[in-house]
Amino acid sequence: NAGVTQTPKFRVLKTGQSMTLLCAQDMNHEYMYWYRQDPGMGLRLIHYSVGEGTTAKGEVPDGYNVSRLKKQNFLLGLESAAPSQTSVYFCASRERLAGGPSTGELFFGEGSRLTVL
Amino acid sequence: SQKIEQNSEALNIQEGKTATLTCNYTNYSPAYLQWYRQDPGRGPVFLLLIRENEKEKRKERLKVTFDTTLKQSLFHITASQPADSATYLCALPSRYALNFGKGTSLLVTP
Repeated sequence: NAGVTQTPKFRVLKTGQSMTLLCAQDMNHEYMYWYRQDPGMGLRLIHYSVGEGTTAKGEVPDGYNVSRLKKQNFLLGLESAAPSQTSVYFCASRERLAGGPSTGELFFGEGSRLTVL
Repeated sequence: SQKIEQNSEALNIQEGKTATLTCNYTNYSPAYLQWYRQDPGRGPVFLLLIRENEKEKRKERLKVTFDTTLKQSLFHITASQPADSATYLCALPSRYALNFGKGTSLLVTP
């Protein structure tokens, strides 16, 4: 049982390049999230998904796109990377509980460290 | 706007003492609050959830209180150990997601 797996773990990009971060979870969770974590800023929500085929914007969505074609995967794309997107990116997932919004814990991946030069 | 505030200054305590971390929030009426632990270079790990109708929750050496009038949660680690050194994050629900505080770094010295 791997939990939440993020790839790649490290990446260096040049300004203007594109890339995709992959998040895979094997817990059959409905909800998935992408956060970024920067020194002094804490974890900030980029995009999230409440089920296969659905996505929604979080607090800081600009410059990112996401897709949830399969329930177990949540992809985060950077179409034209900027130095401001240098950060540590965390994917997380949680189950949806019957009867209303989930109160369940988030399961996080180990992070993807992205540097944009 | 909604805000979650945790003490940004690191907390340094001696082994065996009780560590107390604070989480204050504004413009929320949360049904629950969660606490996470994050070690350097790792993803956050869930510790405890406390609901709005619970005043206190315990798990081993951890204790969390939740005062919805004061809009505050306190996180206590009793008989602290150097292995408890980490950053602790509180999180509040926002529709389908969780919003996190910036975390408080705890250092427990022998």
